[in-house]
Amino acid sequence: DSGVTQTPKHLITATGQRVTLRCSPRSGDLSVYWYQQSLDQGLQFLIQYYNGEERAKGNILERFSAQQFPDLHSELNLSSLELGDSALYFCASSEGAWDTQYFGPGTRLTVL
Amino acid sequence: AQSVSQHNHHVILSEAASLELGCNYSYGGTVNLFWYVQYPGQHLQLLLKYFSGDPLVKGIKGFEAEFIKSKFSFNLRKPSVQWSDTAEYFCAVNVYGGATNKLIFGTGTLLAVQP
Repeated sequence: DSGVTQTPKHLITATGQRVTLRCSPRSGDLSVYWYQQSLDQGLQFLIQYYNGEERAKGNILERFSAQQFPDLHSELNLSSLELGDSALYFCASSEGAWDTQYFGPGTRLTVL
Repeated sequence: AQSVSQHNHHVILSEAASLELGCNYSYGGTVNLFWYVQYPGQHLQLLLKYFSGDPLVKGIKGFEAEFIKSKFSFNLRKPSVQWSDTAEYFCAVNVYGGATNKLIFGTGTLLAVQP
């Protein structure tokens, strides 16, 4: 157990819908990262937050957004969902902005 | 752009066999290197990491990796695998001092160890 928690574990929804994925970092970690793992794209970095502020953006679609709250938990919002958004979404956290990342169990999103 | 290559997509070994998984990266500057493992149905776990110093790094569960700068490689090794090592292994890099701490992952190597 890495200490990073993610909810829900599984999510099944329809095209066009909007969902929110939640991540709680390890105690004391200020940085949160989101990654998408799909069969065709592999593991791709989406976005990083550090102490409530966006730090870096990767291959994140405009339909996706994220935020980190004062208690340091983070949410990833996915809207206007498409079939191709079906994937495993991982959250990771690190103590600082540059430290080793520890991953949560992931949320498996299925878009039907 | 930086990239990571894992040339072995699927590896099948018998228990007690030795393991070496290849990882090459493309970036001319200083990188931090990682190996993560994903057991079936579980999250990514850190096996080992290299930031600086001794290029031979020892990790958990008897794994080690050697950083060879001239070859841009960071191969993972284990002298004797067990059935419980069946998992997917990911090599990852990030750029030291770069604009972001994002990890760039390889495509993964699926290891199946037969009892």
